[in-house]
Amino acid sequence: GAVVSQHPSRVICKSGTSVKIECRSLDFQATTMFWYRQFPKQSLMLMATSNEGSKATYEQGVEKDKFLINHASLTLSTLTVTSAHPEDSSFYICSASYGVPSTDTQYFGPGTRLTVL
Amino acid sequence: AQKVTQAQTEISVVEKEDVTLDCVYETRDTTYYLFWYKQPPSGELVFLIRRNSFDEQNEISGRYSWNFQKSTSSFNFTITASQVVDSAVYFCALTLSNDMRFGAGTRLTVKP
Repeated sequence: GAVVSQHPSRVICKSGTSVKIECRSLDFQATTMFWYRQFPKQSLMLMATSNEGSKATYEQGVEKDKFLINHASLTLSTLTVTSAHPEDSSFYICSASYGVPSTDTQYFGPGTRLTVL
Repeated sequence: AQKVTQAQTEISVVEKEDVTLDCVYETRDTTYYLFWYKQPPSGELVFLIRRNSFDEQNEISGRYSWNFQKSTSSFNFTITASQVVDSAVYFCALTLSNDMRFGAGTRLTVKP
């Protein structure tokens, strides 16, 4: 149980294009979904937290106009990297929890490796 | 402020050795949760354990064991009789108030 999927697993795009990453909870309804970014050999950095039907809460320093998050249903959240640039290249990981976020376990997706040329 | 420190950046052991991964945390809250996750080369984080701040009981699950000590703000993770498949990056994390903070991670390499 508690399986989270992400699509695509890898994406290569040209600078200036937009990329959408999907995160789905497959066997549970996720009250909260989280988006993280991980640079090579570094830890995970929380980008934003989203609850179904409401606006995402972004961490300090994360541009909300650049990283658009939509949490349309209890099983789907999307992250759109708009006008991507090479510095946006990273490993993006989503997670989902189905209880009180501060107390419940986050289950992580397999990640999406974005390369911007 | 809350913070998680994993002082060991990389550890290398030979198969069948025991290894302990250290985790020290900082928080002013009395209610919090601690986690360990494993990130194999594939990249996906695998949940290993969750422990709340009121439960200091140590836990054993197969070859894995965890030692939670509030007096030293530590939540250490031990793998006994390590195997090559244990090679991964291990993250300790602290969560409270809708905010999960990860340590820098410890890269464990188990050599045959």
